[in-house]
Amino acid sequence: DVKVTQSSRYLVKRTGEKVFLECVQDMDHENMFWYRQDPGLGLRLIYFSYDVKMKEKGDIPEGYSVSREKKERFSLILESASTNQTSMYLCASRGTGYHEQYFGPGTRLTVT
Amino acid sequence: GQSLEQPSEVTAVEGAIVQINCTYQTSGFYGLSWYQQHDGGAPTFLSYNALDGLEETGRFSSFLSRSDSYGYLLLQELQMKDSASYFCAVRDGDNAGNMLTFGGGTRLMVKP
Repeated sequence: DVKVTQSSRYLVKRTGEKVFLECVQDMDHENMFWYRQDPGLGLRLIYFSYDVKMKEKGDIPEGYSVSREKKERFSLILESASTNQTSMYLCASRGTGYHEQYFGPGTRLTVT
Repeated sequence: GQSLEQPSEVTAVEGAIVQINCTYQTSGFYGLSWYQQHDGGAPTFLSYNALDGLEETGRFSSFLSRSDSYGYLLLQELQMKDSASYFCAVRDGDNAGNMLTFGGGTRLMVKP
């Protein structure tokens, strides 16, 4: 079974803090993704990576950065958290040439 | 850009058949996927259509018409456990089809 794990299920941070969300997958997938999910807006892509050290902006990259130093690990960084970044964050991975995208359990981030 | 439209809510009774529609606008098109997400859970892959026609997987079927930019998910013999949110997603021409763009989701409520 493919496993995508995320470092925290729930996180509470203060405005202005730097926040790191970690994601690890165990299936040697080339492609990894970070989404945020808000009610009525579906899943919106923040960044994705198709290889180590490679990244592409998604639809809503402002206020976020990412890091992929190892194939299995993809980190999302909020440089200075703001209240409008309160959301559910979902990580996903997919093998190149495959259609199925595997999601982690999500991190519910609250910024106060 | 890309946009997807799907109904926000659908209600049906146990044992019935329900169809969830999805219309899309994309710049280039690779295929249409469907994902299921139970409350508090991660999205899980249901189906993928790249060509016109109907794909059947057990009680679930997915249909695509590329000329109409339209697809649907058909759920038969509804069970209470099918109560969940369903998302359509397109792989489009940007980034060689590596990115998925999701619709806002349809919340399906199955009643006894």
